[in-house]
Amino acid sequence: DQQVKQNSPSLSVQEGRISILNCDYTNSMFDYFLWYKKYPAEGPTFLISISSIKDKNEDGRFTVFLNKSAKHLSLHIVPSQPGDSAVYFCAASSQYSTSGTYKYIFGTGTRLKVLA
Amino acid sequence: EPEVTQTPSHQVTQMGQEVILRCVPISNHLYFYWYRQILGQKVEFLVSFYNNEISEKSEIFDDQFSVERPDGSNFTLKIRSTKLEDSAMYFCASNRDRGVHEQFFGPGTRLTVL
Repeated sequence: DQQVKQNSPSLSVQEGRISILNCDYTNSMFDYFLWYKKYPAEGPTFLISISSIKDKNEDGRFTVFLNKSAKHLSLHIVPSQPGDSAVYFCAASSQYSTSGTYKYIFGTGTRLKVLA
Repeated sequence: EPEVTQTPSHQVTQMGQEVILRCVPISNHLYFYWYRQILGQKVEFLVSFYNNEISEKSEIFDDQFSVERPDGSNFTLKIRSTKLEDSAMYFCASNRDRGVHEQFFGPGTRLTVL
């Protein structure tokens, strides 16, 4: 049951251009979304997040867009840099938690390669 | 900058053996998690832990698994009798505050069951 899907396993982009990574979800209970970046032999590193009350969140070169009606989010990186080459995971959770812990459901990841 | 640490980085074990994976979360964090990633697959939630209790667990986290915070700094995942399909990268994560979604992940322990 793939509740969070990243349909592009890989993406190559020229340095300086825009990278667009996509993520779709099926569970309408998800209302908080995060993007993590992962380098080989390291754990995922938080990049940016968005709550369902927003449709856009920006942090420097990174912008996340959320389309709730389409159950779709995307991460834009502009300009892309060679150091951005990594695997990018989107993750979804519910803002509601009785315990205070938040269970992430991850997508399968997209390997981004930024070409110099 | 404080970080989550995990030991060992790689653990090789025979099927049926018990393993304990260790994590030291960031010191002022209160909420703890284990995730795993089977090679080539997505990162999967195993269990969350708060106030010395399991908050939530997935279907993967069956009776073979247990978690413990034995001494106020370590957070351990024990697999009682390992199976071949337990081979995966296991990530520990923590976060500080209720209402803060961002989780900080450790570098992972690669478990290989032979």
